[in-house]
Amino acid sequence: RKEVEQDPGPFNVPEGATVAFNCTYSNSASQSFFWYRQDCRKEPKLLMSVYSSGNEDGRFTAQLNRASQYISLLIRDSKLSDSATYLCVVSYSGGGADGLTFGKGTHLIIQP
Amino acid sequence: DAEITQSPRHKITETGRQVTLACHQTWNHNNMFWYRQDLGHGLRLIHYSYGVQDTNKGEVSDGYSVSRSNTEDLPLTLESAASSQTSVYFCASSTRKGYTDTQYFGPGTRLTVL
Repeated sequence: RKEVEQDPGPFNVPEGATVAFNCTYSNSASQSFFWYRQDCRKEPKLLMSVYSSGNEDGRFTAQLNRASQYISLLIRDSKLSDSATYLCVVSYSGGGADGLTFGKGTHLIIQP
Repeated sequence: DAEITQSPRHKITETGRQVTLACHQTWNHNNMFWYRQDLGHGLRLIHYSYGVQDTNKGEVSDGYSVSRSNTEDLPLTLESAASSQTSVYFCASSTRKGYTDTQYFGPGTRLTVL
């Protein structure tokens, strides 16, 4: 069974702090990895893709560890506006829509 | 600006009724998807389409159907609504067939089946 596991949280973090959370996936044939952000009662939106070499987008850094089958998201200098649910998304070999699996999300609360 | 819209945004219906949720995108994307999102579950794929006249079943397709008569629209029909189908439904679209590409989601439809 294809599974993507995330710690649901909530992670309560003071503004300005650094926070990191991981996501593990079960299928070693997984090919593509993403982090989506979902605000309360809103639609998910792509935050960033995750590349094998790791990648950074401003305050956000994503990393992939294929050997241990997990991806991570690091948020530096957290802002109140970072409060949201972060969804880990994994694509399996063969591609296509049915190869896309969403985690249940990690809830992040940035406190002033 | 190109966009993806869903209607209605909120719907209350009764058990046994047929319900159709609309999804319309103006990006000219080939791929369109329907998901449901429930507490304790991630997004689960209901049906998807790679183009006009193409439809495919997803993980939780029982009780749902779709049709794709043009590029822009993928309506989702609940043949006989059940209380277990109370959920938030998201439509999404993307560009490439057979590859994982960024999926753009609509704002969602909150459906309650009484």
